[in-house]
Amino acid sequence: NAGVTQTPKFRVLKTGQSMTLLCAQDMNHEYMYWYRQDPGMGLRLIHYSVGEGTTAKGEVPDGYNVSRLKKQNFLLGLESAAPSQTSVYFCASSSGQISGNTIYFGEGSWLTVV
Amino acid sequence: AQRVTQPEKLLSVFKGAPVELKCNYSYSGSPELFWYVQYSRQRLQLLLRHISRESIKGFTADLNKGETSFHLKKPFAQEEDSAMYYCALRRAGNMLTFGGGTRLMVKP
Repeated sequence: NAGVTQTPKFRVLKTGQSMTLLCAQDMNHEYMYWYRQDPGMGLRLIHYSVGEGTTAKGEVPDGYNVSRLKKQNFLLGLESAAPSQTSVYFCASSSGQISGNTIYFGEGSWLTVV
Repeated sequence: AQRVTQPEKLLSVFKGAPVELKCNYSYSGSPELFWYVQYSRQRLQLLLRHISRESIKGFTADLNKGETSFHLKKPFAQEEDSAMYYCALRRAGNMLTFGGGTRLMVKP
């Protein structure tokens, strides 16, 4: 059981380039999330989805777009990368709103924008 | 607004010493709090949640609503406990708000 899988794991981009991070989960979860992790700031929510075909903004959505065309996949796009987007990106998923259910994380994607 | 504060960025202790990682929160509703652990270059893993009142790997955490705290404690630290620890608060829509994290270093 793979859980939550992210690709790619490492990427270096030039300023202005675009790229897409792919998150896949095999747990039939409704909810999926994208977080970014920066030193001293913990994890901050970029965008999330509560089901196939839905997306919503989190705390730091600017410069990012997302899509949830299939229930198992949640894509994070950077249309024009900036050095401020250098970070570690974590995808996560959960079954829903019921109190006590666990949020599972992927292994992270290290992105450097030069 | 909900907020989670971990006042220490780095905590360094010797093996066998007690450990307390501090977490304070602000939330208008009934809080649900968690501790996540991240070992070097690995994914975040759930360590424990306050509603379970469990002890995982010797760690415990008690929710103190009066002091709005959820400190993580272990009586005797081990070298393998060295990791990044995040306190998190669940809010509406099953979202987690994280603290800034505390890096625990356990020296031999």
